[in-house]
Amino acid sequence: EDQVTQSPEALRLQEGESSSLNCSYTVSGLRGLFWYRQDPGKGPEFLFTLYSAGEEKEKERLKATLTKKESFLHITAPKPEDSATYLCAVSSSNTGKLIFGQGTTLQVKP
Amino acid sequence: DAGVTQSPTHLIKTRGQHVTLRCSPISGHKSVSWYQQVLGQGPQFIFQYYEKEERGRGNFPDRFSARQFPNYSSELNVNALLLGDSALYLCASSSRDRENIQYFGAGTRLSVL
Repeated sequence: EDQVTQSPEALRLQEGESSSLNCSYTVSGLRGLFWYRQDPGKGPEFLFTLYSAGEEKEKERLKATLTKKESFLHITAPKPEDSATYLCAVSSSNTGKLIFGQGTTLQVKP
Repeated sequence: DAGVTQSPTHLIKTRGQHVTLRCSPISGHKSVSWYQQVLGQGPQFIFQYYEKEERGRGNFPDRFSARQFPNYSSELNVNALLLGDSALYLCASSSRDRENIQYFGAGTRLSVL
């Protein structure tokens, strides 16, 4: 059964304190791994998609990496506006549906 | 360009009632998917439609149904509402090209009393 697990569930950082969020997955034929950001009361906002092990993508203070079993979202020198829930999802080759993890809620304090 | 739009934004219903949620995809997107997000959890897949045909269904009871119209907009219907149906209902659209990126609307917050 396709499954996604994110850790930690919650993360508190001081402004400027870099860290990483983990997404472990099992899927029958990875079609893509997706990272989304979700602010309270809003829909998920697309950040990155990764397709094969070794791939990396960057956007401002965020960098996503992918291995055959997990993905990391690295946050460098975070700012308070980076506070949000970060969701990881996978799409298998069998269907187009996204299977989400439970998310990591990040709080960055000034 | 307008993103995915959903209506209504909030809805309050009582147990046993029926509800219809609406979604307009990004212009040019032919695929629409519906997800249910309970507080504190990630979204769970309900349906996917492409070119008006159902392409996928998640593990939800038959009380949940959906359809897609010729203009690619979509409706999600839920009959005989239960307290446990209270959630944020998200619609996502995609162009089903190689990247298959799904873009989400702001959601409809459904409260069942």
